[in-house]
Amino acid sequence: DGGITQSPKYLFRKEGQNVTLSCEQNLNHDAMYWYRQDPGQGLRLIYYSQIVNDFQKGDIAEGYSVSREKKESFPLTVTSAQKNPTAFYLCASSIVSGRGYNEQFFGPGTRLTVL
Amino acid sequence: ILNVEQSPQSLHVQEGDSTNFTCSFPSSNFYALHWYRWETAKSPEALFVMTLNGDEKKKGRISATLNTKEGYSYLYIKGSQPEDSATYLCAFMGRDDKIIFGKGTRLHILP
Repeated sequence: DGGITQSPKYLFRKEGQNVTLSCEQNLNHDAMYWYRQDPGQGLRLIYYSQIVNDFQKGDIAEGYSVSREKKESFPLTVTSAQKNPTAFYLCASSIVSGRGYNEQFFGPGTRLTVL
Repeated sequence: ILNVEQSPQSLHVQEGDSTNFTCSFPSSNFYALHWYRWETAKSPEALFVMTLNGDEKKKGRISATLNTKEGYSYLYIKGSQPEDSATYLCAFMGRDDKIIFGKGTRLHILP
């Protein structure tokens, strides 16, 4: 089954700790994205990557870091510098040709709660 | 500030009725507009990717139109069914790789 997976579904962390959210896809997509959703808000782009070993900041990258060492994987680290880390995090992937022409495939999301 | 607005925020529709809602987006720097359906406890799924002014796309009972010059897209659902209950998201894709999602329209189909 091709798809995009995120783990865990729920994550709790103490304030001041870094935490890494997993995102894996077996769709052979070049592009991967991380979004954050807060109540009453649209999805906001944190980081995206269009090719292995390269990534760009989205609108709200401060306090986050990513890596793209493998095509299949795009982990997101929420650092202690992120002031309001509690949110729902969605990962997505797409093929690259034509950039925004291509639909994104989303994972199930991770709900992070920082206590 | 670039913004994508969706209206209404929430909508209750009787089963069998038709409905429509709107996505407004910046008319400059336009590259593509995406529509997604997001059912509760599931992942968002793509409905349409629209790129050309005047585009009309259809998938079953759902269709969408696009006006890039004035910056809006309509999503239509004909003969609403309970399985249509979901949040419908639109996303503006800019030529500079900008991606802006609207807050969504939450559709409730009443039996």
